Amino acid sequence: KNQVEQSPQSLIILEGKNCTLQCNYTVSPFSNLRWYKQDTGRGPVSLTIMTFSENTKSNGRYTATLDADTKQSSLHITASQLSDSASYICVVSSPYSSASKIIFGSGTRLSIRP
Amino acid sequence: DVKVTQSSRYLVKRTGEKVFLECVQDMDHENMFWYRQDPGLGLRLIYFSYDVKMKEKGDIPEGYSVSREKKERFSLILESASTNQTSMYLCASSHRGYNSPLHFGNGTRLTVT
Repeated sequence: KNQVEQSPQSLIILEGKNCTLQCNYTVSPFSNLRWYKQDTGRGPVSLTIMTFSENTKSNGRYTATLDADTKQSSLHITASQLSDSASYICVVSSPYSSASKIIFGSGTRLSIRP
Repeated sequence: DVKVTQSSRYLVKRTGEKVFLECVQDMDHENMFWYRQDPGLGLRLIYFSYDVKMKEKGDIPEGYSVSREKKERFSLILESASTNQTSMYLCASSHRGYNSPLHFGNGTRLTVT
């Protein structure tokens, strides 16, 4: 069964600290993996996309990694800010046009404390 | 910037009512989606449309229908609302192609009493 699992479910860290969120998937065949950020009361927004051949990609203070062999991805946030408080959702897609091949994780809720 | 607009932020309806949720996108996207989001369950696909008048059932279509008469507009219809349809509903759109990102609206929080 195609699944995307994220850990931890929730995380609280102090402002300025770093953190890493994890995503494990069993989706096959694999096309790409996206991380989305969802602020409270808003829809998710794409942060980064990882394709099969990419190991690391950065977007400002966000760095995503992908290990296609172990089917694991991580999102590392450096020097956290209060505005990083949000849910982070890992989404894996298969190379078909059907929308049912977009599989969502249930997200990690990150809280940054001053 | 892509804009996906959902007509209502909050809705309160009674059991048995017919409910319409409207979504409009302004970037000429071919694909449009309706998801519901519940705590601990993530986003679940209700219906998907890849062209005008075309639709596909998602993972949880029971109790819902959709309409896409124009490319920019995708409506979700709850034929007879029930309390278990209380949820956050998110509309999204994207270009064709599995590498295209989903662009989401800000959601409609529906409460059925």
